[in-house]
Amino acid sequence: ETGVTQTPRHLVMGMTNKKSLKCEQHLGHNAMYWYKQSAKKPLELMFVYNFKEQTENNSVPSRFSPECPNSSHLFLHLHTLQPEDSALYLCASSQQTGDYGYTFGSGTRLTVV
Amino acid sequence: GENVEQHPSTLSVQEGDSAVIKCTYSDSASNYFPWYKQELGKGPQLIIDIRSNVGEKKDQRIAVTLNKTAKHFSLHITETQPEDSAVYFCAASKNYGQNFVFGPGTRLSVLP
Repeated sequence: ETGVTQTPRHLVMGMTNKKSLKCEQHLGHNAMYWYKQSAKKPLELMFVYNFKEQTENNSVPSRFSPECPNSSHLFLHLHTLQPEDSALYLCASSQQTGDYGYTFGSGTRLTVV
Repeated sequence: GENVEQHPSTLSVQEGDSAVIKCTYSDSASNYFPWYKQELGKGPQLIIDIRSNVGEKKDQRIAVTLNKTAKHFSLHITETQPEDSAVYFCAASKNYGQNFVFGPGTRLSVLP
C-alpha cells in the first residue's frame, strides 16, 4: 500500500450510467492528480488540484467531472462515457505541485460497455 | 511542448545481466527526470530521479545518467532479478516536478 487508496479497483459501466471514482491519501500531501493510462499510450494528465483548488484541466471532456472536497480526498465523477474512455485511471499525490515525485495509487480499471 | 521518447518498448534479459532503458526529451528547459516502475495491478512507483545539475545518480543496483547536451537520460539496472520485471516509465518536467510528460514505457522481462 503506497498511502494513496483508490476505489473501486474495477468498474464496468454502461454508456448511460453515472459513477464516481474515489481517491484518498493520508500522506499529508496538498496536491492531487488524476491520470489516464490507456494501452500503448503514455500516461495522460487529466486534472491537478493544489490545496483543494483546481489548477489544471488538461482539455478533458466534460463527461469527466473532478471534485476535491479537501486535500485528502479526490473524486472523478463519470457520466455518459464512451467505450474509448475505457482505461486505468490513476490518482496521485505530492506534497505540493512542483514537488519532486508523485505517489500513485493502484488505479481503477474502468470498462465502458 | 515537451515530447519524451523511450526505447526499447520491450526488453528481455537473463537474470543477472544488465538492462538499459533510454529516453530522449525535446525541451531543453526540462530540469527534472524521474523513473517509475509499474508492476502488474499496481500504480507507478518512483524508483530514482535526477535533476539537471547532476550527471549521474546511483542507488544500489539502479543508476540514472543524464546528458543535457544530447537531451537524453538512461536507466541502468545491474544484476537483474525476476522481481525487476515490470513496466518502466521515464518522465521529464520543467519547474522541478510540475507538468510531467511521461514516456510510453518499457516492458522489462527478466528471465530466470
